[in-house]
Amino acid sequence: DTEVTQTPKHLVMGMTNKKSLKCEQHMGHRAMYWYKQKAKKPPELMFVYSYEKLSINESVPSRFSPECPNSSLLNLHLHALQPEDSALYLCASEGEMNTEAFFGQGTRLTVV
Amino acid sequence: AQTVTQSQPEMSVQEAETVTLSCTYDTSESDYYLFWYKQPPSRQMILVIRQEAYKQQNATENRFSVNFQKAAKSFSLKISDSQLGDAAMYFCAYTDYGGSQGNLIFGKGTKLSVKP
Repeated sequence: DTEVTQTPKHLVMGMTNKKSLKCEQHMGHRAMYWYKQKAKKPPELMFVYSYEKLSINESVPSRFSPECPNSSLLNLHLHALQPEDSALYLCASEGEMNTEAFFGQGTRLTVV
Repeated sequence: AQTVTQSQPEMSVQEAETVTLSCTYDTSESDYYLFWYKQPPSRQMILVIRQEAYKQQNATENRFSVNFQKAAKSFSLKISDSQLGDAAMYFCAYTDYGGSQGNLIFGKGTKLSVKP
């Protein structure tokens, strides 16, 4: 099973809403990532978790709050987002060092 | 800081023909990885091919091969016998050796169309 599963696939939320994105993998991977991809742009790294600890935060605004409850699950909690936060949010996971990273299909987020 | 540049926003190829996508990069590191990822309309990023900088031999994966020129910092992707399913956005990406394979710096992408 080389699958990274993201839910939901689509999400529309208001600027005052609180929502969460979920990412799950059952490959025993040590590292998990959140990327943001705006339309017609490349993905940009947001957060990296290594062995369930946050190791990289690429200066992401606090309205995005990551959480790694266990080694298989990664959440991204969203609160008070802006319309410019509308994007595709991709999750990825990676096994031991120098092995391939696997991406999920992403959550298409629209902030209204 | 490392950068990745793809100078071809769009490319087109006839089915069964060969196409080459270009990528250049800049880094002060001597050891690193380079990748080509494919992103079809389904949105999932799929690894096409990976090259370790310390390996002189160019990587190949079936119909996909790379031309890695370390001194020139060039990393092009050749797709042979193009198929309709190859139509997608292709991203060139970089990561430092010994780092995380998921900690990637992407180029802006090249949209590949395949004509029947």
